[in-house]
Amino acid sequence: LAKTTQPISMDSYEGQEVNITCSHNNIATNDYITWYQQFPSQGPRFIIQGYKTKVTNEVASLFIPADRKSSTLSLPRVSLSDTAVYYCLVGSNSGYALNFGKGTSLLVTP
Amino acid sequence: GAVVSQHPSRVICKSGTSVKIECRSLDFQATTMFWYRQFPKQSLMLMATSNEGSKATYEQGVEKDKFLINHASLTLSTLTVTSAHPEDSSFYICSARDSEATNEKLFFGSGTQLSVL
Repeated sequence: LAKTTQPISMDSYEGQEVNITCSHNNIATNDYITWYQQFPSQGPRFIIQGYKTKVTNEVASLFIPADRKSSTLSLPRVSLSDTAVYYCLVGSNSGYALNFGKGTSLLVTP
Repeated sequence: GAVVSQHPSRVICKSGTSVKIECRSLDFQATTMFWYRQFPKQSLMLMATSNEGSKATYEQGVEKDKFLINHASLTLSTLTVTSAHPEDSSFYICSARDSEATNEKLFFGSGTQLSVL
């Protein structure tokens, strides 16, 4: 299973764009890259998923370079409510659970 | 989107008693469900993989006789913490993957905060 590495924490001000990068050097051919958000005392919530290039939805963008050994979650114009822990997971549809790394704790301040 | 319902959200019990946590996929079928445990300010730790109609697969170091898992249908998995002790106090989270989906999206329950006195 691919191991992921993320920054432990990040700080941002409201209204700024936040980019969180995740390294997954041993990603396999069939692996997807998925990002989750978790608030205290809640289960993780799906944010975005991609396989290659760029994916965008209503809340975030996901940039994946050609070698797929890293990915960057981009949150445009963050607000205080974006303060949470963000996890990058890598895995394939093989029935194995996606293992969580330590995640990135994002703090957004006024 | 798909919803995973987890109950109860919070439970307080006496040491030595057993606690059952339910995890239901409400609008999709889940052949496989996963159970995680999370301690304060730490990441989620996978405890076991629950397979419908067969025995669960436990991660190394997780006692299968203490954490009983049953996955009797395609929409329900239960985790029973038997003879709970204070060190079992933790946040337990279940997740499920849509059996018919080709991607790796996991849907998570809202979690169960277990406090053992």
